[in-house]
Amino acid sequence: GDSVTQMEGPVTLSEEAFLTINCTYTATGYPSLFWYVQYPGEGLQLLLKATKADDKGSNKGFEATYRKETTSFHLEKGSVQVSDSAVYFCALRKETSGSRLTFGEGTQLTVNP
Amino acid sequence: DTEVTQTPKHLVMGMTNKKSLKCEQHMGHRAMYWYKQKAKKPPELMFVYSYEKLSINESVPSRFSPECPNSSLLNLHLHALQPEDSALYLCASSRMPLRDEKLFFGSGTQLSVL
Repeated sequence: GDSVTQMEGPVTLSEEAFLTINCTYTATGYPSLFWYVQYPGEGLQLLLKATKADDKGSNKGFEATYRKETTSFHLEKGSVQVSDSAVYFCALRKETSGSRLTFGEGTQLTVNP
Repeated sequence: DTEVTQTPKHLVMGMTNKKSLKCEQHMGHRAMYWYKQKAKKPPELMFVYSYEKLSINESVPSRFSPECPNSSLLNLHLHALQPEDSALYLCASSRMPLRDEKLFFGSGTQLSVL
């Protein structure tokens, strides 16, 4: 079945450091790929998405590129802020699976001042 | 209005109680979802309503009963729950139940079953 694997956390960085959170997927067909972020005490928010190979999603300084050859969708940010501290979920979704989002296990990011 | 509103924010119930969780959106979305999230885990899909009809039930026990009274409202009726049902229950909606559509999540109801 379809699956998403994220790098294990937690990840702790200093402010202005470079961030990479690895995400790889296993799926047949052509999934859409997403990064969702969950701040403490809140629901999930879509951070960015990519719907086909080589698409780059970007938002709030975060970006990720859909790499079909390596089945990856790694999240990057050049300079993190304390306010970026949250849990980040990589997810995929296929037309043939109806409305199901398949999530990775999540990566807790803590940014220290 | 781009919000999904869930009430209550917190709920404590005994195993013999009956309670309901409520979810509301006014974005004209035609797909609504219930997810269950345990601590430090990703959300797990429970139910999907598409155009007010139940389209997906992920083999959820019958002690959870969803209801979609109209296109803006989604309820989750709870009865005879078990302590292991304690979790954050998230409601979400999307414009259409399609692959590329963004999901909008509510802040959730934190449920504790005693």
